[in-house]
Order: sequence, then structure tokens, then C-alpha cells
Amino acid sequence: QVQLQQSGPGLVQPSQTLSLTCAISGDSVSSNSAAWSWLRQSPSRGLEWLGRTYYRSNWYYDYGPSVKGRITINPDTSKNHFSLQLNSVTPEDTAVYFCARGACDSAGCALDYWGQGTLVTVSS
Amino acid sequence: EVVLTQSPGTLSLSPGERATLSCRASQSFSSSYLAWYQQKPGQAPRLLIYGASSRATGIPVRFSGSGSGTDFTLTISRLEPEDFAVYYCQRYGNSPLYAFGQGTKVEIK
Repeated sequence: QVQLQQSGPGLVQPSQTLSLTCAISGDSVSSNSAAWSWLRQSPSRGLEWLGRTYYRSNWYYDYGPSVKGRITINPDTSKNHFSLQLNSVTPEDTAVYFCARGACDSAGCALDYWGQGTLVTVSS
Repeated sequence: EVVLTQSPGTLSLSPGERATLSCRASQSFSSSYLAWYQQKPGQAPRLLIYGASSRATGIPVRFSGSGSGTDFTLTISRLEPEDFAVYYCQRYGNSPLYAFGQGTKVEIK
């Protein structure tokens, strides 16, 4: 059974960096059939995909247009987790953040396992 | 960018009734890349359907998906008390890689 456990601070000051970690159990961050995503959800923006990383002999990264230039997703094979860093945050980045696994086959990468969610508030 | 529009915004039904939820895309895309999720308050979304019509592991048979091109449907054949929730359709594709509809809330009448 795959489980994703999120950790990280719930309060970040404006202009600072939001950092979250997603620990994986029951699968590997280096899996050749999975991709590891970060998403967020807010009343104003709904569910929004932020980016992902995946391993197919090399590491690959895809980032969403709304946060491109501010986001970094890093895998850590020694700890079997992946992390999110979002720079220069503003109050508009206040949201519940989720990590999720994409189970990838020829039909795409449906998000079949999710972390529990972390409410991150950007405020001074 | 493909935009997904879900209707209705809210569906008021009684347990035992049939629920039909719609998801319409601004451009046609392969049904292989259409998924449905259920979300209850305070919880993460839960994958119900992928590839437009395949049930995810552990999902009851009362949930079914159909459609192609620009029009997709999630049907719940007989609503159980635990099915009252918000449902999202999602497209996997290009920029952004994952796009979600705005959701349909299924509430108890």
C-alpha cells in the first residue's frame, strides 16, 4: 500500500520560500512507472497542478505555467522522498498543498495516491 | 490550453437516486487522458475513474465513466450516504500537464 506523508511549515512570510517534503512508503521515488507531483487547492484557484519529477534512466522535471520560474521539485533517493520549494511567495500562494503519485501507463499518469494535505498560509 | 467546465455546479439528490455529472472540454482530446476524483471536506482527492471509463482500485461498481472528444460523464447509479462529496474531472495533457474542472458538489436533498 502506497502512502505519502507530507511535512513542512504551515506559515511562511511574504517574499520567503515555501518548503514542503513528501515521504514515500510502499513505492520508490525512482520508480520507472510513477511520477511525483505537487498540487495545491484554494477557493480562488481551485485544484492547481504545480509540477512533477520522475525517473526514466534520468531525472525529469515538469513545471506548471503558473509557478514556472519560482518552483523547484527535488527527489531524494536516500530518503525516498521528494520536496517542493516555491520562492518569493505572496498571499496568493496561500493554499492547501498536496503531493501525489502519478501511476503512468500508456493512458497517462492518473493521480492515484495523495498526501494528506498541508495548509500553508503566507502572512507576516 | 484545454479548459474543463463541469455541470451542474451543485446536484441535490436523495440516497438511492442516480447522479449524472458532466464535464465538457474546450477542445477535443483523447479519452485516455480523462480522470474523475471525489473529494470530501478536509481530505485529499480520491481517484475514481481513469481513462474516462476504467475504475480505480477499490472503487465500487456504482461509479461509472463514459464519453469521448469533448463530452464526458460520471454516473453514480444509486447514491450511498458516503457519496455526497465534490467531484472533479481532470485532463492529463499539455500546459498545464494536469488541468481540473471547477467541481460538482453532490449534496443531500
